[in-house]
Amino acid sequence: AQSVTQLDSQVPVFEEAPVELRCNYSSSVSVYLFWYVQYPNQGLQLLLKYLSGSTLVKGINGFEAEFNKSQTSFHLRKPSVHISDTAEYFCAVSVYNQGGKLIFGQGTELSVKP
Amino acid sequence: DTAVSQTPKYLVTQMGNDKSIKCEQNLGHDTMYWYKQDSKKFLKIMFSYNNKELIINETVPNRFSPKSPDKAHLNLHINSLELGDSAVYFCASRASGMYQETQYFGPGTRLLVL
Repeated sequence: AQSVTQLDSQVPVFEEAPVELRCNYSSSVSVYLFWYVQYPNQGLQLLLKYLSGSTLVKGINGFEAEFNKSQTSFHLRKPSVHISDTAEYFCAVSVYNQGGKLIFGQGTELSVKP
Repeated sequence: DTAVSQTPKYLVTQMGNDKSIKCEQNLGHDTMYWYKQDSKKFLKIMFSYNNKELIINETVPNRFSPKSPDKAHLNLHINSLELGDSAVYFCASRASGMYQETQYFGPGTRLLVL
């Protein structure tokens, strides 16, 4: 079975500071990896995904993530955050040929302060 | 144009009632999902349909019954609503095929059972 752990439930940061949201996963088979963002009272929007190839993945809004197979991690980073990045961020995995179901981490609330 | 839409957006009802949530996608996708987000924002898959066929049925009470009249629609009917059913329910869809792993989420239906 697969599981996802987001190591920080809340991350407060000042505007224009860098941020890293940590995600570790557990799986006995290869997985696909995703980061989704949820703004207040909205649905989930895909930030980026890793399916194969280069381990450094760039997404929307200036976010990027690095897949580290040996450490089973997929941390999300942004060099300079904006107030508008305040949201809940979810790391998720899926397994090929299992219907595409997403297994989510617990979420990290990013709070950007002026 | 909204890619994945859900109705209603808000639903307040009494314990014991029966209610339905509707989902429609105009992306031409073959696979649709229902996820539940609890009060702690944890997301968990409930069901998935591929071309009107049930392919994922997680451990969900029998009071929950999904129905897919065609591949663009996936509805969720809930019988005998309980307080613990209060949550946000998200519909999502995904294209079929290798590397078609991105799921597109609807805006959610916020269900409150009193």
